[in-house]
Amino acid sequence: DAGVIQSPRHEVTEMGQEVTLRCKPISGHNSLFWYRQTMMRGLELLIYFNNNVPIDDSGMPEDRFSAKMPNASFSTLKIQPSEPRDSAVYFCASRMEGGNYGYTFGSGTRLTVV
Amino acid sequence: QKEVEQNSGPLSVPEGAIASLNCTYSDRGSQSFFWYRQYSGKSPELIMFIYSNGDKEDGRFTAQLNKASQYVSLLIRDSQPSDSATYLCAVNTGGFKTIFGAGTRLFVKA
Repeated sequence: DAGVIQSPRHEVTEMGQEVTLRCKPISGHNSLFWYRQTMMRGLELLIYFNNNVPIDDSGMPEDRFSAKMPNASFSTLKIQPSEPRDSAVYFCASRMEGGNYGYTFGSGTRLTVV
Repeated sequence: QKEVEQNSGPLSVPEGAIASLNCTYSDRGSQSFFWYRQYSGKSPELIMFIYSNGDKEDGRFTAQLNKASQYVSLLIRDSQPSDSATYLCAVNTGGFKTIFGAGTRLFVKA
């Protein structure tokens, strides 16, 4: 099992540019989460998908953020336009509903907006 | 009041000692509790989960839960330098929603 796969690992972009982060969850996991981690705010849940359907996006900070899950093996988080305050590490996590409900996190994408 | 509170540390213990990490939560209806370990520059890794009051042991790790006091802790016995990391307490408040604490930084001195 390759675990949760995120790409890219690092992204440096200029303010105003579009950024797309990608995630492949663990096969068989039917729940997917996008988190953002900063020193100031810790881990914040942005959006949660269950069976490819967005269930709760109340954590998405602004309309500049959008997320999709077109199938069970792929999700994207898009920021358009990006701003310096979006700089953070973005984690994707997946889990199987039932069981211990613990997450498996991907390696994260470190985003820097200059 | 934060929903999940942890002392940010750093907590420094000598090698071989017991490290005690603590966490309190505000939602009395919380159902499941997790400890994640996060090394610097890495992603969080699940190390323990507990649902019922009492202790749960896994190797050198013991999770303790007291729902009446809304308190969960993690004990690390025979601490090793490789245990140096940030430990995140996470609480599932029902359904999908899991709230993370800010984490406690642990240093184990050789």
